[in-house]
Amino acid sequence: AQKITQTQPGMFVQEKEAVTLDCTYDTSDQSYGLFWYKQPSSGEMIFLIYQGSYDEQNATEGRYSLNFQKARKSANLVISASQLGDSAMYFCAGSTPGTYKYIFGTGTRLKVLA
Amino acid sequence: SQTIHQWPATLVQPVGSPLSLECTVEGTSNPNLYWYRQAAGRGLQLLFYSVGIGQISSEVPQNLSASRPQDRQFILSSKKLLLSDSGFYLCAHGRRGANVLTFGAGSRLTVL
Repeated sequence: AQKITQTQPGMFVQEKEAVTLDCTYDTSDQSYGLFWYKQPSSGEMIFLIYQGSYDEQNATEGRYSLNFQKARKSANLVISASQLGDSAMYFCAGSTPGTYKYIFGTGTRLKVLA
Repeated sequence: SQTIHQWPATLVQPVGSPLSLECTVEGTSNPNLYWYRQAAGRGLQLLFYSVGIGQISSEVPQNLSASRPQDRQFILSSKKLLLSDSGFYLCAHGRRGANVLTFGAGSRLTVL
């Protein structure tokens, strides 16, 4: 069975500093896609970044980057230059291409301090 | 552009009452559709997904059911709500050949 694990229930970071949110995945599938979503207090789920397990380069989207380590089965999200608006829940999710199923982790609540 | 609508946004229902949450998608055809539930302070649990009209896959046996009467319409229902059905329900769609799930704004259900 597939599983996504986020071991940090909560994190604090000082404004303008970088923070890493951890995510590990457990699957026997050769190809796997990893996603990160942000959920502000309003509840909406906002897509941040995606990387496939066969992608050569780590994905980046603005201040977000995905530190993907296939051997460790980890796909950590790095947020650079944190802003107060980054305070939210962050969810890691995984999916095997063609299976239609997306599995989510339990989330990490990030609080950015002024 | 694609848009996903969910309603109602907020619902307070007594135990034993029926439920109907609706989700519609615009700007795409033949999407994969999903219902997730998020209990307070918890992660997202996949409830149902659908790859076409009338095709529903259930992930967790429970008090809920789903239907897809039209290509871009996905409905979550219950005949008799339980207290444990309270939560935040999110509809999502995935485009064919694309990886990203796009979510609706969610429906917050409180069962009293």
